[in-house]
Amino acid sequence: SAVISQKPSRDICQRGTSLTIQCQVDSQVTMMFWYRQQPGQSLTLIATANQGSEATYESGFVIDKFPISRPNLTFSTLTVSNMSPEDSSIYLCSVGLGAVNNEQFFGPGTRLTVL
Amino acid sequence: AQSVAQPEDQVNVAEGNPLTVKCTYSVSGNPYLFWYVQYPNRGLQFLLKYITGDNLVKGSYGFEAEFNKSQTSFHLKKPSALVSDSALYFCAVRDISGATNKLIFGTGTLLAVQP
Repeated sequence: SAVISQKPSRDICQRGTSLTIQCQVDSQVTMMFWYRQQPGQSLTLIATANQGSEATYESGFVIDKFPISRPNLTFSTLTVSNMSPEDSSIYLCSVGLGAVNNEQFFGPGTRLTVL
Repeated sequence: AQSVAQPEDQVNVAEGNPLTVKCTYSVSGNPYLFWYVQYPNRGLQFLLKYITGDNLVKGSYGFEAEFNKSQTSFHLKKPSALVSDSALYFCAVRDISGATNKLIFGTGTLLAVQP
């Protein structure tokens, strides 16, 4: 298993600003994932971040809006840029432990409100 | 494309009664299926998974799930519901068509257990 922490746990931000969310894992992992959970909805994958390579973004998400860093095997950041109220969501970090039959583990999430 | 469907937005059950949360899947090839639970203001917690083998899978907190290939279903069950089981439940399938083996989530089912 893996223990994942996220900072901040919540934030209230002004329109047009940016917020960087940090994700820390207690063990080295190859794949890290960033999800968005809009109010009352399911999880949508934003991007997959592998250490040493560019993040892979899902359809509808772009690097200019959601830049991701993955400097080592235990840490990643997601930045939500030029925020608007539509970006108000819970952002979740997740890690995969390799094989397809392994479950993913999730961080506690960052609850973002944009005014 | 891989997908899962959760046909019920909400399931209501009395404490002590059996509960079922429904999930159907659509995959090409062998399915890798997962159930997660999300308690209020918390991240997702893994409950159980089906990879291969026995169709009845046992997981955390007394939950189990039955894999039915002919009906393409993976329903979550518990013989006797507790009020503390009230939470949001997500079914997910592993997408093995790409390089990231990402999870694709259903829309979620809110389980409400009445005392």
